[in-house]
Parts: sequence; C-alpha cells; structure tokens
Amino acid sequence: GNSVTQMEGPVTLSEEAFLTINCTYTATGYPSLFWYVQYPGEGLQLLLKATKADDKGSNKGFEATYRKETTSFHLEKGSVQVSDSAVYFCALRKNTGFQKLVFGTGTRLLVSP
Amino acid sequence: NAGVTQTPKFRVLKTGQSMTLLCAQDMNHEYMYWYRQDPGMGLRLIHYSVGEGTTAKGEVPDGYNVSRLKKQNFLLGLESAAPSQTSVYFCASSVPPEQFFGPGTRLTVL
Repeated sequence: GNSVTQMEGPVTLSEEAFLTINCTYTATGYPSLFWYVQYPGEGLQLLLKATKADDKGSNKGFEATYRKETTSFHLEKGSVQVSDSAVYFCALRKNTGFQKLVFGTGTRLLVSP
Repeated sequence: NAGVTQTPKFRVLKTGQSMTLLCAQDMNHEYMYWYRQDPGMGLRLIHYSVGEGTTAKGEVPDGYNVSRLKKQNFLLGLESAAPSQTSVYFCASSVPPEQFFGPGTRLTVL
C-alpha cells in the first residue's frame, strides 16, 4: 500500500541554521507529494506541493524536490527562524480515484534564538 | 471567509458518554474529511464524504459515525466513548489538490 516515512524528531536547530527533514514514500503509480505545517495549537496548513517527478515546490523559503528515482521529497530551508518552529508532515495523494491523503508521522522542529 | 471551523475546541467525556463534533466550511467544497491525530502516528482518516448526503469509511472508522446532511456541515459522532478515542480530531475540506484543515478538537475520554 501507499505509505510515507519521515525522520523522527525533534529536530533542534539554532536560528539561521540549514534545515533538512527527510521524507521517503512508497506508492503505486505517480502520486502528488505535499508538505504540511502545523503551528502550535492550530490545524495543518499546506506549505508546498509537487505533482510530478522533478518538480520543485517552494514557499516561504522552504523547498522540496520530487525525486522519483529515490522516492523522496526532502524538505529544506537555507536559514531557519524561531517562527519556523512547528510540526512538519509529509504526505502523498494518488492522482487517480479518491483523493485520500496519506500522512507521515510528522517531524517536530524547534528553533532557538 | 471563516474557512473550516470546528466546535467544540475542547471536551472531556466519561467512558460510555456520547457526543457530536461539528465541522463547518464556507468554501462550497464537495469533499470533507475527519481525521484523528495521535502522538507518533500522524493523521489517520476516520470517515470522509464526497458530497452532500454521502459518507464513506476511512482507515479507522470503528466507534464513530458521521452525517453530511448539508453540504457545508460534516458531523462526527461518538455513540459510546472509550478511552482509546482520546485524541485530537481534525476536520478538513478540499478542492483538488489541496485540503484545508480546521483548528482541531481536543477530546479526552476518562
């Protein structure tokens, strides 16, 4: 079946450090891939997405590239801020049939000043 | 636009009690979903709806019922709450490909 694997957290960084959160997936066919972010006490918000191989999604300084050969969609940011502290979820959705999202377990990011 | 709203925000139940969680969206979306979020398990789909009057089971439907009598509302019911249903519940609605989430309901069953 379809599944998403994320690195376990928490990831603890100092402000302005480089961020990578790993995400790999297992899916039949060619799914769309997403990163969602959950700030404390809030629901999930879409951060970025990619719908086909080699696409790069980007938003708010975050980037992720859809790598079909390694079945990965790693999230990166060049310089994190304290305000980026949140839980990040990688997710996939098949592009045929019902549009169910399959989520990873989430990775908590803590950024200190 | 309020987006997706959920009521209540918090609730404490005793084992065996019943309750209904309400989700409302003002974006005219056809699809609506109920998820539960548990530590270390991400979000798991409980039930979903592809339009007014329709519902379907997700990954973890046991112990829950849902109704979609109006397009803008999606109700999640617990008939006889159990401690295993202690969780944070999120509602979402979608227009492809993005899902929009509500702020969540934190439910504790004692």
